Amino acid sequence: EDQVTQSPEALRLQEGESSSLNCSYTVSGLRGLFWYRQDPGKGPEFLFTLYSAGEEKEKERLKATLTKKESFLHITAPKPEDSATYLCAVFQSGGSYIPTFGRGTSLIVHP
Amino acid sequence: GAGVSQSPSNKVTEKGKDVELRCDPISGHTALYWYRQRLGQGLEFLIYFQGNSAPDKSGLPSDRFSAERTGESVSTLTIQRTQQEDSAVYLCASSLLAGGKETQYFGPGTRLLVL
Repeated sequence: EDQVTQSPEALRLQEGESSSLNCSYTVSGLRGLFWYRQDPGKGPEFLFTLYSAGEEKEKERLKATLTKKESFLHITAPKPEDSATYLCAVFQSGGSYIPTFGRGTSLIVHP
Repeated sequence: GAGVSQSPSNKVTEKGKDVELRCDPISGHTALYWYRQRLGQGLEFLIYFQGNSAPDKSGLPSDRFSAERTGESVSTLTIQRTQQEDSAVYLCASSLLAGGKETQYFGPGTRLLVL
C-alpha cells in the first residue's frame, strides 16, 4: 500500500537550533511531492514542490530536498515564528490524481 | 488576487441534521479538491473535480456525503444526517489542473462540530 510517513511527529527546538524534518514515501512512481505549512486554525500554506530526485528548493530559512525514497525539510536557525505543523503530500504517477498526505510534524521553536 | 474562500468558517449542528459547506476557488482554477482533517490526523481526500469531467468520488466515506460544482466555480459539500464522527475540519483546495503538476492552494477550512 502506498504510504507517506513523516517524522518526527513532534519537534521542539531552541531558537537558532537547526534541524530537519523527514517525509518518506513508498509509491511506484512520483509525480510530485509538496510541502505545506499549517498554522493552528488555518488551511495549509504552500511551501515547495519537488519533482525529481536531487532537486532542491530554498525559501528563507527553509530548504527542501528530494531523493527517490524521501524528502527532507531543513530548517536553518529557526525562529519562534517558524512554529507550525509541516505537511508533506505525494502525488503518484499514473492515472490517479489523488494525493496522499502524511500526518505532519508539529514544530515548536522556543525563544 | 483573492485566494480560496470557504463558508461558514464554523458550523455547530445537531446529530441527524444536514449541513452544506461552500468553497469558492481561485478564479481560473479548473481543479477543486475537498479534504477532511480530523484532530491530530492527516488530510483525508474526499472528492475532486477537474473541469467538466466526472468527479472522482472515491474518497467519500458514505452515501451521506455528496458534492457538486457549478462549472469551474463554486462547490458545495453536503453531509446528510450528520453523525458525531463527522466532526472535523473540511478543507477545500484549488489548482490550475488536477494531478500534482500544479500547486494546490487551500482555503481556511470549515470547522464542523456535530453535537
